Amino acid sequence: QKEVEQNSGPLSVPEGAIASLNCTYSDRGSQSFFWYRQYSGKSPELIMSIYSNGDKEDGRFTAQLNKASQYVSLLIRDSQPSDSATYLCAVTPSGGYQKVTFGTGTKLQVIP
Amino acid sequence: DVKVTQSSRYLVKRTGEKVFLECVQDMDHENMFWYRQDPGLGLRLIYFSYDVKMKEKGDIPEGYSVSREKKERFSLILESASTNQTSMYLCASSSPRASGSEEQFFGPGTRLTVL
Repeated sequence: QKEVEQNSGPLSVPEGAIASLNCTYSDRGSQSFFWYRQYSGKSPELIMSIYSNGDKEDGRFTAQLNKASQYVSLLIRDSQPSDSATYLCAVTPSGGYQKVTFGTGTKLQVIP
Repeated sequence: DVKVTQSSRYLVKRTGEKVFLECVQDMDHENMFWYRQDPGLGLRLIYFSYDVKMKEKGDIPEGYSVSREKKERFSLILESASTNQTSMYLCASSSPRASGSEEQFFGPGTRLTVL
């Protein structure tokens, strides 16, 4: 079982729709959770971080964390063509280390 | 504006050559990381460092070594480059957090081709 799992996609949504990206993780003691966006040919950039159960909203983005189910998701409202990218889920494992484990990413395509 | 820079965007080397990839951050971060990214495999951690002169192996350290003589600089060394080390190499830095890791800031990446 992979430590951080994501559906590779592509996930295609029409412009203006809600895009829902999902991620599951295996380490129950994980503490920190991140969503990075990576445009083709570019390096990842952080868009959301979440550390406690529930929802966290930032503009059109909402991160949701459910530690009991070991599940973290990212919702993008009013999707725009500029949101087309690969979204990487990242999780800090338990043990006090500073590194994170990345999923392989979900490719999102927003169709105009 | 926070910044992580890498010495080269593109690099072409021959099999058996010694290769140095350098990374510099200006955010006074304690933690620095080297990843490689390959299609279908995602980001894989090669080495990381949580302090000057300290280093820890990541998931795929074989064939690589690192050096961190100054806080702002973290170097990745391929002692004898091989064709299976052709990849995109990404450097990142972060500050520690009480419970886990702070978000990582990435450099622009170095696309290395080994012929």
